Amino acid sequence: QVQLVESGGGVIRPGESLRLSCAASGFAFSTSAMHWVRQAPGKGLEWVAGIWHDGSNIVYGDSVRGRFTISRDNSKNTLLLQMNTLRAEDTAVYYCARESVHFFNSYFFASWGQGALVTVSS
Amino acid sequence: SSELIQDPAVSVALGQTVTIRCQGDNLRRYYASWYQQKPGQAPVLVFYDKENRPSGIPDRFSGSSSGNTASLIITGAQAEDEADYYCNSRDTSGYYVFGPGTAVTVL
Repeated sequence: QVQLVESGGGVIRPGESLRLSCAASGFAFSTSAMHWVRQAPGKGLEWVAGIWHDGSNIVYGDSVRGRFTISRDNSKNTLLLQMNTLRAEDTAVYYCARESVHFFNSYFFASWGQGALVTVSS
Repeated sequence: SSELIQDPAVSVALGQTVTIRCQGDNLRRYYASWYQQKPGQAPVLVFYDKENRPSGIPDRFSGSSSGNTASLIITGAQAEDEADYYCNSRDTSGYYVFGPGTAVTVL
């Protein structure tokens, strides 16, 4: 079955960097667009970034653009999120999610990982 | 990207029907998808586009869409349906947005 397993979370100081990984299995990773979604403690879901199946198109949410970089390694079925210049407000559980498309106007996150907690604190 | 609007909370008596609404300009062009999240757990897709439920999701979950509004309907709500529900949509630039979530309480 589909499995998405995030790793790389932890406690980090403001201004520092951290890289998250998401190991994918059970589906055709190289043909799936992938995303990162985060959730700050006690808050709602926030879409962070997305990358097309071949990495040819990348989009970022306003709050992370210019600081975070999403990438993928299709040979290793791995999704990455490089997070630089971290701020206290980046503290959240970070989920990787697989995008599915049903019609030309139907896009959704079909599968989610269990999440990795990132805490930015001095 | 455009925003999505949801009511913060709704309550429903056990076995009754509740409708959770989501409004936004994106919904005129793209279908909404709906996610259930229970405390301490990852979100789970429960409904998408016009009439689709993932396998394993009970058929008491249904949806509708009209204009700039999408709805998730729980018919015959059960205690285990108590959770936060989020709508989500894409826009033409490939950006995604989540609604702020609706907390459903089953009385």
